[in-house]
Amino acid sequence: DARVTQTPRHKVTEMGQEVTMRCQPILGHNTVFWYRQTMMQGLELLAYFRNRAPLDDSGMPKDRFSAEMPDATLATLKIQPSEPRDSAVYFCASGLERQGTGELFFGEGSRLTVL
Amino acid sequence: AQKITQTQPGMFVQEKEAVTLDCTYDTSDPSYGLFWYKQPSSGEMIFLIYQGSYDQQNATEGRYSLNFQKARKSANLVISASQLGDSAMYFCAMRERSSASKIIFGSGTRLSIRP
Repeated sequence: DARVTQTPRHKVTEMGQEVTMRCQPILGHNTVFWYRQTMMQGLELLAYFRNRAPLDDSGMPKDRFSAEMPDATLATLKIQPSEPRDSAVYFCASGLERQGTGELFFGEGSRLTVL
Repeated sequence: AQKITQTQPGMFVQEKEAVTLDCTYDTSDPSYGLFWYKQPSSGEMIFLIYQGSYDQQNATEGRYSLNFQKARKSANLVISASQLGDSAMYFCAMRERSSASKIIFGSGTRLSIRP
């Protein structure tokens, strides 16, 4: 049963610390998206990749956030330094563009709490 | 500018009744796709249904159907014979070819089914 795997599922850290979230997309998928979900902002698109190339990261605070895909099986989202306002659930999703609907398959999310 | 609008923050519906969740969108791209996702209290994101802008017929998937009115730019989700397990957040999302196929989400509607 193919699924998107995210780690860690939960992370509590102190302000100023570096946080790295990891995502393993479904094998064969060529798009990867990072979203942030908060009560106030809903689901915000932070960054996305196609064939490992970054296409759009305009939704991401550039000074502290970075997103990469070092290989086809791993996407990372890094926050350095973290701030309390970064507390949210971060979702990774992958999809196969140009096949069927191209819907996204979501991971279970990484719940981040910054104290 | 908000591209996906869900105007109903919350809805209550009696079990077994049909329910319509509203979604309007804004795009000048003739090629786009519309998605609906369900997010139960467990937090996972579940793909429900997809409508392509060139599809001639409204999409249906079991008890879910999409009332696609292209001229009005609306893509309402209809759930027939609602069940208690339908209680969840529902998100409408859009993909535009002109935006390198990124997928953005609306703010969601919380649906509660009354027994």
